[in-house]
Amino acid sequence: LAKTTQPISMDSYEGQEVNITCSHNNIATNDYITWYQQFPSQGPRFIIQGYKTKVTNEVASLFIPADRKSSTLSLPRVSLSDTAVYYCLVGDGTGGFKTIFGAGTRLFVKA
Amino acid sequence: DTGVSQDPRHKITKRGQNVTFRCDPISEHNRLYWYRQTLGQGPEFLTYFQNEAQLEKSRLLSDRFSAERPKGSFSTLEIQRTEQGDSAMYLCASSPLGGDGMNTEAFFGQGTRLTVV
Repeated sequence: LAKTTQPISMDSYEGQEVNITCSHNNIATNDYITWYQQFPSQGPRFIIQGYKTKVTNEVASLFIPADRKSSTLSLPRVSLSDTAVYYCLVGDGTGGFKTIFGAGTRLFVKA
Repeated sequence: DTGVSQDPRHKITKRGQNVTFRCDPISEHNRLYWYRQTLGQGPEFLTYFQNEAQLEKSRLLSDRFSAERPKGSFSTLEIQRTEQGDSAMYLCASSPLGGDGMNTEAFFGQGTRLTVV
């Protein structure tokens, strides 16, 4: 399973765009990149998943360069409620969701 | 179906006691996972089931831990002779069976917070 590296913490202000970058140098051909969000005392919640290029949904965008050795989660116009831990995960899912979570990035959004 | 349900939400037990947690996955999901999460860390994989078969166990899962999913629906995680180091949030997740190398989303419950005193 590919290991990921992401910043330990980030600060932002309400209304700003936040970009969190994750490194996954050992990503395998069949691996997908998935981002989860976790609030205190809750289980992680799926945000977005992609394989290459760009994926966008109603809450975020995911940018993946051609070499797929990194990815960037983009949160447009964050609000206070986006304060959470964000995890970047890499895996192919064929053996079940055993992906290594890592410590994640703690995003703190200030007013 | 309202998602993955875990019971209890909180459990305080004395060291040496046995505890059992229950997880009810989303009904059509074949796969069920257990994770442990300590403060400031991401979830650590413990074990997973595909239907009733336990397909993999992490080396984090000592002999004091046992998990079952007898009918391929709900699952239980039992910890025997609890130790203070077992204090953590225990998370359950479920996912549908993915194919063709496609990653699948896992849906997490709210967890059971265990405190061993």
